Amino acid sequence: GENVEQHPSTLSVQEGDSAVIKCTYSDSASNYFPWYKQELGKGPQLIIDIRSNVGEKKDQRIAVTLNKTAKHFSLHITETQPEDSAVYFCAASIGGSTLGRLYFGRGTQLTVWP
Amino acid sequence: GAVVSQHPSWVICKSGTSVKIECRSLDFQATTMFWYRQFPKQSLMLMATSNEGSKATYEQGVEKDKFLINHASLTLSTLTVTSAHPEDSSFYICSARIAGVSEQYFGPGTRLTVT
Repeated sequence: GENVEQHPSTLSVQEGDSAVIKCTYSDSASNYFPWYKQELGKGPQLIIDIRSNVGEKKDQRIAVTLNKTAKHFSLHITETQPEDSAVYFCAASIGGSTLGRLYFGRGTQLTVWP
Repeated sequence: GAVVSQHPSWVICKSGTSVKIECRSLDFQATTMFWYRQFPKQSLMLMATSNEGSKATYEQGVEKDKFLINHASLTLSTLTVTSAHPEDSSFYICSARIAGVSEQYFGPGTRLTVT
């Protein structure tokens, strides 16, 4: 099955700085890569996703890049704010397939200090 | 759009009793729903996948007789924890997706405490 590795496990940044979280995957058939933000005691919230036919996607302060050859993808958050503090999970799946199950990374606890 | 709700948000039950958790897609029809379990400071662990009208597919190591899943309609799936024990205490989260669409949308989770 698919194996998703995520680094770092914790990340502390000063407000206004950028944060980068990196993930690698093992199954070349994976073609859908979402990122989720999970606040304490809540369910994960989809914040951005990318498909394998695209190398980069941006949505305001967040962006995701994908390198299919190297099998890695990254989340970039610019101009971080204290409300960005949360656990972020990357995931991979064979999008659109019958099952479409997600394989999650272990998560990154992001702390943004004011 | 793409809102998934769960009920209850938290529940406390006594050891040996059963508890049912509901997962609803509020504004779309979910052909597939997933049930996850999450321990503190850990990632989401997939328990089972359910397609509307079909039997759920359980992940290896998950007891299907203990965690009963019913996906009776395109907007409702239920997880029943039978004969609950303290080790079943956890955060249970469901997600839902539409057939052929990659996005999965998660519910807010249910905190189960078994005393």
